[in-house]
Amino acid sequence: GENVEQHPSTLSVQEGDSAVIKCTYSDSASNYFPWYKQELGKRPQLIIDIRSNVGEKKDQRIAVTLNKTAKHFSLHITETQPEDSAVYFCAASMKPAGTALIFGKGTTLSVSS
Amino acid sequence: DGGITQSPKYLFRKEGQNVTLSCEQNLNHDAMYWYRQDPGQGLRLIYYSQIVNDFQKGDIAEGYSVSREKKESFPLTVTSAQKNPTAFYLCASTSGMGDTQYFGPGTRLTVL
Repeated sequence: GENVEQHPSTLSVQEGDSAVIKCTYSDSASNYFPWYKQELGKRPQLIIDIRSNVGEKKDQRIAVTLNKTAKHFSLHITETQPEDSAVYFCAASMKPAGTALIFGKGTTLSVSS
Repeated sequence: DGGITQSPKYLFRKEGQNVTLSCEQNLNHDAMYWYRQDPGQGLRLIYYSQIVNDFQKGDIAEGYSVSREKKESFPLTVTSAQKNPTAFYLCASTSGMGDTQYFGPGTRLTVL
């Protein structure tokens, strides 16, 4: 089955710096890769996703890149702000739609001002 | 994700008791999921259902049971066979043609 590895487990940056979180997946059939942000005690919220037919996707300060050959994808956050502090999860899913997501173990991002 | 509700928010159980966690969605989504979250472990899949009256085991199904009698409801029962049930439980749903999962607010279960 699919396995998703996520690194680093913790990341501390200064406000205004960039943050990068990386994930690798094992099953080449995986074709959907979402990123979720979870604040303490809250539900995970989707922040960006990418499908296997796209190499990069950007939404304001957040971007995701996908390298299908190497089977890894990354989340990039630019101009970090204290409110970006949270736990971030990557995940991978295969077709057909509705197949469950396999999550990485999460990265705790701390942005200090 | 505002269309997915879970109850109760907090649940306390004595050892040896079964408890049922509720998950309801009004999004007309076909697929529903249950995840367990422990500190440092991410989200682990317990069960999922892609259609009414059908469900599949996830990675950690032992000690849990589910039913899917209605499209909008997917309750999870934590049985006494689950040795370490204290955790944060999250329900999610997905539309039939989409991949995006939307999560409910979660239930925090504590075994006393």
